[in-house]
Amino acid sequence: DGGITQSPKYLFRKEGQNVTLSCEQNLNHDAMYWYRQDPGQGLRLIYYSQIVNDFQKGDIAEGYSVSREKKESFPLTVTSAQKNPTAFYLCASSTIRDPAYEQYFGPGTRLTVT
Amino acid sequence: DQQVKQNSPSLSVQEGRISILNCDYTNSMFDYFLWYKKYPAEGPTFLISISSIKDKNEDGRFTVFLNKSAKHLSLHIVPSQPGDSAVYFCAASVSNYGQNFVFGPGTRLSVLP
Repeated sequence: DGGITQSPKYLFRKEGQNVTLSCEQNLNHDAMYWYRQDPGQGLRLIYYSQIVNDFQKGDIAEGYSVSREKKESFPLTVTSAQKNPTAFYLCASSTIRDPAYEQYFGPGTRLTVT
Repeated sequence: DQQVKQNSPSLSVQEGRISILNCDYTNSMFDYFLWYKKYPAEGPTFLISISSIKDKNEDGRFTVFLNKSAKHLSLHIVPSQPGDSAVYFCAASVSNYGQNFVFGPGTRLSVLP
């Protein structure tokens, strides 16, 4: 089945540690995205990538880093510089087309940092 | 400043009746809009979209209306079912500016049996 997988579903880390969230898609989509969701807020874009080996910052990129070495994979690292890392993180992918088309989302990873 | 607003955090509707979820936007460059449905601890799933060249799009029980002059869109669900209980996000994009969508804060719909 085609889709987006994120692992793990729940992740716990101590403050000051970097943590990497996995995102894999087998939809052959060119573009991939990372969002963060906090209670009572919409999804906020952290980073996106429209092609392998290239990515751009979204609205809230500070304290995060990404890589796009393969079309299928777009891991997100939450660094110790991120001041409020506890959140629900969502990865998405889409085709590149005009007009814009829908993004397909993974099941999300809930990160708790204590 | 929120570019996409969903001013009702929650909405309760009786099963079988119509649910109307509203979304307002401020950026007149937005020309493509989507609605997503999200259950707790899951990723959003795409429901329906509309391009600014249309003012209505239907898909089964779901209809989206777009009023460009008012910068307003709405999602109608008829008839509402208990399984429709979820958080609904409105998202907007400038279609020739990549694939980046701006999401509203969501409206939690509860359909009561």
